[in-house]
Parts: sequence; C-alpha cells; structure tokens
Amino acid sequence: DAKTTQPTSMDCAEGRAANLPCNHSTISGNEYVYWYRQIHSQGPQYIIHGLKNNETNEMASLIITEDRKSSTLILPHATLRDTAVYYCIVRGSGAGSARQLTFGSGTQLTVLP
Amino acid sequence: GAVVSQHPSRVICKSGTSVKIECRSLDFQATTMFWYRQFPKQSLMLMATSNEGSKATYEQGVEKDKFLINHASLTLSTLTVTSAHPEDSSFYICSARDPRGPQYNEQFFGPGTRLTVL
Repeated sequence: DAKTTQPTSMDCAEGRAANLPCNHSTISGNEYVYWYRQIHSQGPQYIIHGLKNNETNEMASLIITEDRKSSTLILPHATLRDTAVYYCIVRGSGAGSARQLTFGSGTQLTVLP
Repeated sequence: GAVVSQHPSRVICKSGTSVKIECRSLDFQATTMFWYRQFPKQSLMLMATSNEGSKATYEQGVEKDKFLINHASLTLSTLTVTSAHPEDSSFYICSARDPRGPQYNEQFFGPGTRLTVL
C-alpha cells in the first residue's frame, strides 16, 4: 500500500474549518484514501474514504486532487471534541490487497477555544 | 456505523499471569478481525489478523506463542497475553471489517483495552 505524509500537528480555532492535508504521491489506481481519527485513549473512528471523486458525509469532506497524489480532509466547523490524531491511510481494494490498515504518525489536531 | 466492543476496558495484572481480551462485533458478523497494539505517544501497530475458523496470521516480530488469538465465532475474537511482563503493558485495540459494506468496506475499531502489568 502507498505511504502517506502528514504534518505532525495543526491548530484550528473553534468554529472554523479545519483542513488537514495528506500527501500520497505513490498511490496507485486501485487504492483508496481513508481517514480515521483517534481521540485520546480511545479506538480509532472511521471518518470518510474515497477513490478519486470528492466525498462528503455528516462528519467531513474529502477533497482528492485530480492526479490523486494528495488529499485534504475538511472538518467544516471544528469543535473542541474534534481534537484528536487524524490518520490518512491509503489501501487497495482488490482481492490481492492487504486487508489491514497501516497507520502512520498522523496529524495531531488541536481545536482551540 | 457498525459497533465493535472490547472487554475489559482496563486490566491490571501481576507479572507472569495471563490476560484474555475479548473483541466482539455487536451488529454484524466479521470473518476477519485485527489486533493492534499502541504504546504511549506512538501509532497503532498491527499485531495479527484473526480469521474465523482458521489460524491467525501474525506480523513479523510478534510472538504467536505469547499472544494467542482465537476467532471461534463470527462475532468474537480473543487475544490472550500469556505470561505477561511489564513490557507488554500497552493499549490493545481490535477492529473488524463489516462485510455488508462495499468491496472496500471500512474497518470499525473497538474502544481498546489498557493493559498494565506490574
């Protein structure tokens, strides 16, 4: 699976949009981009995933560049409860692809009051 | 989303004893579950893949005789840390794939089990 690069940490003001970038320049055609987050001392929580089109759900939006080499997770109105480590993970979907998720270091997002 | 539970949430044990951690998928059947370990200020590291009805697949460097995994049913996988030592103290997290989703179905994680070995 392709490797990802994320900033170590970011701050965001409460109520503002949080934009978390992720680089995955070696992504291949059948690999999806997944985002999870982990609030301190809890299990990771699924946020969103996508292949090449932008995606939106009740938690966030995922913007994937046309060349698919990078993406941005957007939390439209960050709250204090969004403070967490956010993981960007690339994983294939084919039968021969690894089924497990490989976690990198992630981005520590701190939402400030 | 699908719900995965773990029990216990926290356990403290003496060195040399064995500890069993349960992982359950509450509203779906999971043929595959995963066990991760997370040390303080570090990311999650996959330990093993648990397959219902067959032997678990362990990652390189993980001792299969020390970390026993049993996936006896489609809703339950257990991890037993045998002869635990202080260096086994960690946050253990399981996850399960929900097969009802699309081909690239997402994984759902349990809340984790904090193990402290004295």
